[in-house]
Amino acid sequence: GNSVTQMEGPVTLSEEAFLTINCTYTATGYPSLFWYVQYPGEGLQLLLKATKADDKGSNKGFEATYRKETTSFHLEKGSVQVSDSAVYFCALNPMGSGGGADGLTFGKGTHLIIQP
Amino acid sequence: GAGVSQSPSNKVTEKGKDVELRCDPISGHTALYWYRQRLGQGLEFLIYFQGNSAPDKSGLPSDRFSAERTGESVSTLTIQRTQQEDSAVYLCASSLEGTTGGYTFGSGTRLTVV
Repeated sequence: GNSVTQMEGPVTLSEEAFLTINCTYTATGYPSLFWYVQYPGEGLQLLLKATKADDKGSNKGFEATYRKETTSFHLEKGSVQVSDSAVYFCALNPMGSGGGADGLTFGKGTHLIIQP
Repeated sequence: GAGVSQSPSNKVTEKGKDVELRCDPISGHTALYWYRQRLGQGLEFLIYFQGNSAPDKSGLPSDRFSAERTGESVSTLTIQRTQQEDSAVYLCASSLEGTTGGYTFGSGTRLTVV
């Protein structure tokens, strides 16, 4: 089956620190990969995505590269801000599944806390 | 509408009562998904609609859970005889792109069963 594993939180960093949140996946075929962000009190928002190997998704200073050889999609940001404090979810959507029958498979989420 | 709208935003109910949660997807989005998010846990897939048919109901946790969708519009998730373990945030998402696209999520309904 499909699964997503991401690092346990909470992750606490100081402002302007470098961020990495690890994400690895197990899937048949060639999934699309996503990072979603959930700010306090809000719904999930798509942060970035990559649909094939070696693609790099980027948004708001965040980046993640689809690595098929290591089945990974680690999220990175060079200099975090207090406003980046949120829960980050890695997710996959398997290709060729007949129209999203299983929906997205999510990791458990990583709570990121940025201190001033 | 501009986004996915869910109602109510919060619901407190007594154990054993039935509840109905509503999701209004983005206009034109053919795919609609329900997820459950328990405190401190990841998202648990419940059910997926393509149009008004539900090809995959395998994620529904028990026969107390059911869902319907009218056309390519509003969906309702009904939980009968609620139990305390049903307490969670229920999230709805819709999508236009199908398997390769991301989803747009609503803000969720926080259900508390007391």
